Amino acid sequence: DAGVIQSPRHEVTEMGQEVTLRCKPISGHNSLFWYRQTMMRGLELLIYFNNNVPIDDSGMPEDRFSAKMPNASFSTLKIQPSEPRDSAVYFCASTRIEADTQYFGPGTRLTVL
Amino acid sequence: GDSVTQMEGPVTLSEEAFLTINCTYTATGYPSLFWYVQYPGEGLQLLLKATKADDKGSNKGFEATYRKETTSFHLEKGSVQVSDSAVYFCALGSFQKLVFGTGTRLLVSP
Repeated sequence: DAGVIQSPRHEVTEMGQEVTLRCKPISGHNSLFWYRQTMMRGLELLIYFNNNVPIDDSGMPEDRFSAKMPNASFSTLKIQPSEPRDSAVYFCASTRIEADTQYFGPGTRLTVL
Repeated sequence: GDSVTQMEGPVTLSEEAFLTINCTYTATGYPSLFWYVQYPGEGLQLLLKATKADDKGSNKGFEATYRKETTSFHLEKGSVQVSDSAVYFCALGSFQKLVFGTGTRLLVSP
């Protein structure tokens, strides 16, 4: 079975540009999470969705960040405009709402110059 | 708020040595506890979990026991291998959300 799929795996962009990260959850999962991993702050939950509806976005750092889940098999995390401090690895994870184990994708390493 | 504290790394061991990585937590309610492992360039993988006090999670020779009285969930393995070299994250789960520790890097040499 395919795991969580994220694209791109690596993204290098310049400050001020728009960045879109993509995630395809495991089929049958109805809960999706976006995390950010940095050396300074570790793993932080940014936002999560249940049944495509955002439930908690309190971890989204500021208005430059937005996330959508238009259907059960696709989610995006957008940063506009990007800044160097956004450089990090961004992970997507999915699970079933009633389960407690999250399954992580391989991550997108974002570098903002 | 909920939090997880785990020992600083790196932990450097020789093959076949005994491993302990300490993890303590602060939480309201009764969270589930997890250990995740991250290999270089990969996402996190669930290693083991425990859902209530005194439960022991185990997988691939690793074990951890949910100790409510000491609010701990220490990871142990009797004999580590070079292939165990990775970053290990302790986490607690409550109301769908996971709170992670800072991670402990384990380096095992032949």
